Amino acid sequence: AQKITQTQPGMFVQEKEAVTLDCTYDTSDPSYGLFWYKQPSSGEMIFLIYQGSYDQQNATEGRYSLNFQKARKSANLVISASQLGDSAMYFCAMRASGAGANNLFFGTGTRLTVIP
Amino acid sequence: DTGVSQDPRHKITKRGQNVTFRCDPISEHNRLYWYRQTLGQGPEFLTYFQNEAQLEKSRLLSDRFSAERPKGSFSTLEIQRTEQGDSAMYLCASSFGLADTDTQYFGPGTRLTVL
Repeated sequence: AQKITQTQPGMFVQEKEAVTLDCTYDTSDPSYGLFWYKQPSSGEMIFLIYQGSYDQQNATEGRYSLNFQKARKSANLVISASQLGDSAMYFCAMRASGAGANNLFFGTGTRLTVIP
Repeated sequence: DTGVSQDPRHKITKRGQNVTFRCDPISEHNRLYWYRQTLGQGPEFLTYFQNEAQLEKSRLLSDRFSAERPKGSFSTLEIQRTEQGDSAMYLCASSFGLADTDTQYFGPGTRLTVL
């Protein structure tokens, strides 16, 4: 079975500073994908970044980067130069290659608050 | 705007009533997903379509729930005889359906409140 764990219910960061949101996962599938989504108060889930289990390099998308440590089964999201608009819920998700390969398993999320 | 759209955005109903939600995916996407999100939790998978075929259903999808995608474009999710426990955000997502890097793009959701 797949499981995603986000241990930080809430995080605060000063504007323009960097912040790391933690995500650990558990799966027995050899091939899987890891995703991060942002959910503002409006409710829509916004795709941020993707990391494949066989990717050699950490994924980056603008101010977002994924610190992927396969042996530790962690996929932490790093947001650089935080902006007030980054305040939102952030969800880590996984899609495995085995049964249920077409759906995402989500963690419980981390609420990020950017302080001016 | 060519993103995923959902209608209505909010629905308040009384226990025992039936409700239907609509999702319009990104036009070139052939996969469509429904998720449910309760307060303080991440989304949970309900069901998935490849074109018009419903290929996967979660155990969360009780027999009071039914989903269709008749022409492989928009989809509807119906809940019959609603219960207070059905109160949640219902999210729709779509994707191209390519392997590995297939990314699901979500709509704004329908927030259901059952009184």
